[in-house]
Amino acid sequence: EDQVTQSPEALRLQEGESSSLNCSYTVSGLRGLFWYRQDPGKGPEFLFTLYSAGEEKEKERLKATLTKKESFLHITAPKPEDSATYLCAVRGGAQKLVFGQGTRLTINP
Amino acid sequence: NAGVTQTPKFRILKIGQSMTLQCTQDMNHNYMYWYRQDPGMGLKLIYYSVGAGITDKGEVPNGYNVSRSTTEDFPLRLELAAPSQTSVYFCASSYPASSGGGEAFFGQGTRLTVV
Repeated sequence: EDQVTQSPEALRLQEGESSSLNCSYTVSGLRGLFWYRQDPGKGPEFLFTLYSAGEEKEKERLKATLTKKESFLHITAPKPEDSATYLCAVRGGAQKLVFGQGTRLTINP
Repeated sequence: NAGVTQTPKFRILKIGQSMTLQCTQDMNHNYMYWYRQDPGMGLKLIYYSVGAGITDKGEVPNGYNVSRSTTEDFPLRLELAAPSQTSVYFCASSYPASSGGGEAFFGQGTRLTVV
């Protein structure tokens, strides 16, 4: 059974304080690991796809990395507008897209 | 491009009533998904489809039914609504990962309350 566990559940940072979010996964035949951002009352918004261990993707203050068992979303010098819930998902050989429970990130000015 | 469109946006149902949540995509995606999201939680997969005429169960299928007669449409049917089905429902679609990308695009959600 494909599974995704995210930690921490919630994280509060000061503006400019860098940190990382963790996504641990077990999947049969990884077809992609995905990171999404979700703002309150809205649908998830796609950020990154990673396919193989060692791969990295960057977008503004966010950088996603992948190993064989986990992915990290690094946030560098965050701003208040980076406050959101960040969701991790995996697609395995069965083509299901399975999500973790998310990390609620709050950036205080 | 409208992307993924869900209707209705909000609905209140009485216990035991039935309803259909509509989902349409105009991106010619093969794959479509239905999720529910309870307050403060992640997304749980209800049903998914890899193409017209093909559907399969996700993590929490009980109390729901789906059909996929066209590429564009993937309605979710609730029979005999129960308070435990109070949630926000999201529909999503994607290309297969083998086609490159494979990321899912989401609708804006349907907020359902069962009283």
